Amino acid sequence: AAGVIQSPRHLIKEKRETATLKCYPIPRHDTVYWYQQGPGQDPQFLISFYEKMQSDKGSIPDRFSAQQFSDYHSELNMSSLELGDSALYFCASSLEGETDTQYFGPGTRLTVL
Amino acid sequence: AQTVTQSQPEMSVQEAETVTLSCTYDTSESNYYLFWYKQPPSRQMILVIRQEAYKQQNATENRFSVNFQKAAKSFSLKISDSQLGDTAMYFCAFMKIMYSGGGADGLTFGKGTHLIIQP
Repeated sequence: AAGVIQSPRHLIKEKRETATLKCYPIPRHDTVYWYQQGPGQDPQFLISFYEKMQSDKGSIPDRFSAQQFSDYHSELNMSSLELGDSALYFCASSLEGETDTQYFGPGTRLTVL
Repeated sequence: AQTVTQSQPEMSVQEAETVTLSCTYDTSESNYYLFWYKQPPSRQMILVIRQEAYKQQNATENRFSVNFQKAAKSFSLKISDSQLGDTAMYFCAFMKIMYSGGGADGLTFGKGTHLIIQP
């Protein structure tokens, strides 16, 4: 079965640079979520989108923005990167009407030097 | 806001034994979902089991079952006949149900329990 696809899988950036993470949900899924997991930490919810509209917002820094496109894929844009932004970024997707189950992608490991 | 507490940072059992991971939560919501996710060394987040708060019957998935006590706000995971492949970090997670406008709330996770299955 098709799963959530995230790209790139690994990304290395310098401080103050920008980064864009992409997420392709499971086919037919209309809701996308972003999470950040620091080393040794639990995942923290950042933001979610349903039908291209922001659905819920968590602890997303102002330096980050995200959107969902007409084909339901989503992008997380991160600017003025800081050392503390180094983490594993997960995207998850779900289907409206079955929104109790979020399926996670493999994650993008971002390293900020 | 809701909180999820996992009081066991690490547990270790022998293969084939039964192990129970504890989770408590705090919320003012009346309708919500609870989940257990597994994160093996690959770091992939894998859904283990889910429970709807409005259902009294405890969820079961093969060797995995939960003990859901709504009044006590407790949601423990029991793993029977544990296997080496069960070695992973286990996260308990809460999600409130959104009724208006579609979409869903983000998950709130506990700090996790590192489960080690010894051969």
